[in-house]
Amino acid sequence: EAGVAQSPRYKIIEKRQSVAFWCNPISGHATLYWYQQILGQGPKLLIQFQNNGVVDDSQLPKDRFSAERLKGVDSTLKIQPAKLEDSAVYLCASSSTGGQPQHFGDGTRLSIL
Amino acid sequence: AQKITQTQPGMFVQEKEAVTLDCTYDTSDQSYGLFWYKQPSSGEMIFLIYQGSYDEQNATEGRYSLNFQKARKSANLVISASQLGDSAMYFCAMREGRNFQKLVFGTGTRLLVSP
Repeated sequence: EAGVAQSPRYKIIEKRQSVAFWCNPISGHATLYWYQQILGQGPKLLIQFQNNGVVDDSQLPKDRFSAERLKGVDSTLKIQPAKLEDSAVYLCASSSTGGQPQHFGDGTRLSIL
Repeated sequence: AQKITQTQPGMFVQEKEAVTLDCTYDTSDQSYGLFWYKQPSSGEMIFLIYQGSYDEQNATEGRYSLNFQKARKSANLVISASQLGDSAMYFCAMREGRNFQKLVFGTGTRLLVSP
């Protein structure tokens, strides 16, 4: 079974630029999550999708972050414009319904200069 | 208030020894789940073990076991026979409510296994 795929693996941009991350979940997994992990901390949920609907985006900074999952499969997370404090690893995870464990991708390490 | 507390920033253990990583949690829900994930330096989060709040037996997965003490609200991870490849960050996480899948993570414990 293929795991959660994320790209790019690394990204370096200057502040005020925009950036987008892509995630393809495990086949058949209805639930998709985006997490932000700042250095030295545990991951923090940004947004959760169930199929193509948003379940929880309470911690997503909506003035600069956006995410979509148009066909209920892969998803993109965008930051525009980026700030220095957005430097972090962005992790995508997926799970089947029913509270099964979440499986994570390798993450995208974002550095803001 | 913190939902998940991991009080050990770092732990050292010798190869082949057992080690316990501490985790305490805070919830008023009756239904919840506790997870442990491993994060090597490469960055991916690897699911290790799960314990449901209604499970009567402590969960085990190979060399990993979860010491679940419900009254104390603790869910410690025990790694037996440590291996060099166990060196990594370990995160405890909690999912609240039967239909909620949102995970709240602790700050992690860095484990170093020495030869």
